[in-house]
Amino acid sequence: GNSVTQMEGPVTLSEEAFLTINCTYTATGYPSLFWYVQYPGEGLQLLLKATKADDKGSNKGFEATYRKETTSFHLEKGSVQVSDSAVYFCALTSNYGQNFVFGPGTRLSVLP
Amino acid sequence: NAGVTQTPKFQVLKTGQSMTLQCAQDMNHNSMYWYRQDPGMGLRLIYYSASEGTTDKGEVPNGYNVSRLNKREFSLRLESAAPSQTSVYFCASSGDRKGVYEQYFGPGTRLTVT
Repeated sequence: GNSVTQMEGPVTLSEEAFLTINCTYTATGYPSLFWYVQYPGEGLQLLLKATKADDKGSNKGFEATYRKETTSFHLEKGSVQVSDSAVYFCALTSNYGQNFVFGPGTRLSVLP
Repeated sequence: NAGVTQTPKFQVLKTGQSMTLQCAQDMNHNSMYWYRQDPGMGLRLIYYSASEGTTDKGEVPNGYNVSRLNKREFSLRLESAAPSQTSVYFCASSGDRKGVYEQYFGPGTRLTVT
């Protein structure tokens, strides 16, 4: 079946540091890939998405590129802020969006 | 356009009590979902509904029932609450946005069973 693997957290960075959170997936066909973010005490929000190979999703300074050859969708940001502290979930969907598979989440803490 | 709404936001139950968590979406989505989130466990799917009138079990359905009342509403019922059901419950819906299916989440219900 489909699955998503994320790097173990927590990740602690200083403000303005470079961020990478690794995500790899296993899926049949051509899934859509997503990153969701969950701020403390809130629900998950869609951060960015990509729907086909070599697509780059971007939002709020975050980027991720759909790499079919390595089945990866790593999240990056060039300069993190304290306000980026949250839990980040990598996810995929196939089968016309009825089945969503989420990774376990990676907690990011950014220190001033 | 409120998106996905959930009630209540917080609830404390005693063991054996029952309650229903309500969820509604105003995006005309066909699919709706209930997840639970425990510390360090990520999201686990309880039940989902691919369309009005249909429901299917997810990964952890035991102890729960659901009702897809209409296209907008999807409720989750705990018939006899147990401490193991202490968790944060999220409702979500998904629909086609320019050919891409995206999932949208409610703010969650924080349930404590004592």
